[in-house]
Amino acid sequence: DIQLTQSPSFLSASVGDRVTFTCRASQGISSYLAWYQQKPGKAPKLLIYAASTLQSGVPSRFSGSGSGTEFTLTISSLQPEDFATYYCQQRNGYPLTFGGGTKVEIK
Amino acid sequence: EVQLVESGGGLVQPGGSLRLSCAASGFTFSDHFMDWVRQAPGKGLEWVGRTRDKARGYTTEYAASVKGRFTISRDESNNSLYLQMNGLKAEDTAVYYCTRDLITGRGFDYWGQGTLVTVSS
Repeated sequence: DIQLTQSPSFLSASVGDRVTFTCRASQGISSYLAWYQQKPGKAPKLLIYAASTLQSGVPSRFSGSGSGTEFTLTISSLQPEDFATYYCQQRNGYPLTFGGGTKVEIK
Repeated sequence: EVQLVESGGGLVQPGGSLRLSCAASGFTFSDHFMDWVRQAPGKGLEWVGRTRDKARGYTTEYAASVKGRFTISRDESNNSLYLQMNGLKAEDTAVYYCTRDLITGRGFDYWGQGTLVTVSS
């Protein structure tokens, strides 16, 4: 199985900060990576697919990059509604797997 | 408007069975891969399995943790997705989400609200 390791697992930041988190795959997955945002008690929401394509309706402050084994999700200016947990997911092979998540909290 | 509405969750004893349903609307159901994803209380996301689109014969894939115990099916006539769960274990306790895959197969663009399954005696 392809393992995804997200870092950091927890991040404390302020409104307006630029934040970046990483997702590393245990083997190459080309650009078959998606990012999701989940708020407490809610279903996840797709932010980015194919590593860098912004899903329709997602604010442009979110961006993704990377290919192969290392990927990043960047929020250019953190907004109050962005405090949530972020998960990466690989779609290169079965089983589809998710990273352990990065929780972003208010500093 | 795309909607996915799950139902069928509840409390079941270890070894028991449960069938979850997901009513889909607002899109051409047969054109999309559909998946189940679960989340144990306070934990991360775990992919459970999928059924491909009609063009690919609605074939299925499963996570190793559920293979042989869970069965995914769909009914095109009423745009419904199902998850039949047999031989339930305590570790199957989770919120189960029905998801729709993008046509490109690159991400789950719609999720249901989730239904809680609790396996306990």
